[in-house]
Amino acid sequence: AQTVTQSQPEMSVQEAETVTLSCTYDTSESDYYLFWYKQPPSRQMILVIRQEAYKQQNATENRFSVNFQKAAKSFSLKISDSQLGDAAMYFCAYRRWEQGGSEKLVFGKGTKLTVNP
Amino acid sequence: NAGVTQTPKFQVLKTGQSMTLQCAQDMNHEYMSWYRQDPGMGLRLIHYSVGAGITDQGEVPNGYNVSRSTTEDFPLRLLSAAPSQTSVYFCASSYNSGGWVYTEAFFGQGTRLTVV
Repeated sequence: AQTVTQSQPEMSVQEAETVTLSCTYDTSESDYYLFWYKQPPSRQMILVIRQEAYKQQNATENRFSVNFQKAAKSFSLKISDSQLGDAAMYFCAYRRWEQGGSEKLVFGKGTKLTVNP
Repeated sequence: NAGVTQTPKFQVLKTGQSMTLQCAQDMNHEYMSWYRQDPGMGLRLIHYSVGAGITDQGEVPNGYNVSRSTTEDFPLRLLSAAPSQTSVYFCASSYNSGGWVYTEAFFGQGTRLTVV
């Protein structure tokens, strides 16, 4: 079964500093999407950033950027100038296409990010 | 724009009771899905639908039923609640941007269900 692995259950960062969250995935497909979702204490799932596998350029959204290494099946999230509001659970997710046309979004187990003032 | 709306936000059930979690989206998305979130487990797919009249099982379908009579609605039914179904449930929808893969999922606010 295809999986998504987040090897850091918890991370912490000082306010204004940079932190990188790791994600690796297993796939035999060449075309797929990768996502990072943020889940604050409010429980809402918020899309942070997405990457299309056929695009070589790493996605960026303001202070959030990814390092997408397709051959290594690695998709890390870098948060620059960390803010208190960045404290949350972060989930890496992979959307795969399955034979027969079905679609499934597979999530990692999450990394809890703490931002220290 | 409401997006994905789930009701209720909180629910307590007794073992053996049945109930339906409601999910509605107003974005005309073809794809809808239900996930459960348990501590340390991430989100796991229960059931999904690629359009009205079409549903399929996900990773953890046992004890749950779904139907999709309209594009907008995708209710999740618990047939006979068990303590193992205590979890947070999320409904989500996605659209096809023109390629063969659906893009990001838009999530509802979740339902915290406790079965005692």
